[in-house]
Amino acid sequence: NAGVTQTPKFRILKIGQSMTLQCTQDMNHNYMYWYRQDPGMGLKLIYYSVGAGITDKGEVPNGYNVSRSTTEDFPLRLELAAPSQTSVYFCASSYSTGGYEQYFGPGTRLTVT
Amino acid sequence: DAKTTQPPSMDCAEGRAANLPCNHSTISGNEYVYWYRQIHSQGPQYIIHGLKNNETNEMASLIITEDRKSSTLILPHATLRDTAVYYCIVLLWTGNTPLVFGKGTRLSVIA
Repeated sequence: NAGVTQTPKFRILKIGQSMTLQCTQDMNHNYMYWYRQDPGMGLKLIYYSVGAGITDKGEVPNGYNVSRSTTEDFPLRLELAAPSQTSVYFCASSYSTGGYEQYFGPGTRLTVT
Repeated sequence: DAKTTQPPSMDCAEGRAANLPCNHSTISGNEYVYWYRQIHSQGPQYIIHGLKNNETNEMASLIITEDRKSSTLILPHATLRDTAVYYCIVLLWTGNTPLVFGKGTRLSVIA
């Protein structure tokens, strides 16, 4: 199993541009998550999904959109990128929520200038 | 979910045991204690979890006090590769609330 994969690894965007961060998992997990981590800080939840077609907001959803059309994929869309969205983005998945172990991807380092 | 308090940083000599404390004084009876760690620039990695009893796996041991208001993660023989940020998280096993990561403890293992 590849686990959780994320693309791209690095990206530089100009202010106002848009992009999609890709996340795929091959563990047949129902739950998937997007986190962001600013320098020196802990992870903050952006959005999560409990299954195909179902998504919900986390702690910091503003400026982002998600969709979940399949079990495997959970893309994160940034519209009108802003410098405040410069961060490292991690995707994760788990069999269920609550106590089940979350498996994290390697992250996407995004810089908005 | 109960909140946790961890020291911001700790040092440990290589080969010695690393003991990372966590206070969770508002924990409820059915909330578990989880530990994750994040090695520099990588995604977090699950370490161990427990409810009441002490737990041990191939990576670490988890000691939970009898009143469950605090716990200690023990890395028995720390190596340089254990240098990471360690997160203590408390949550319900069946809850709908995803993981909430605080700032954790930055453990530096020194040669």
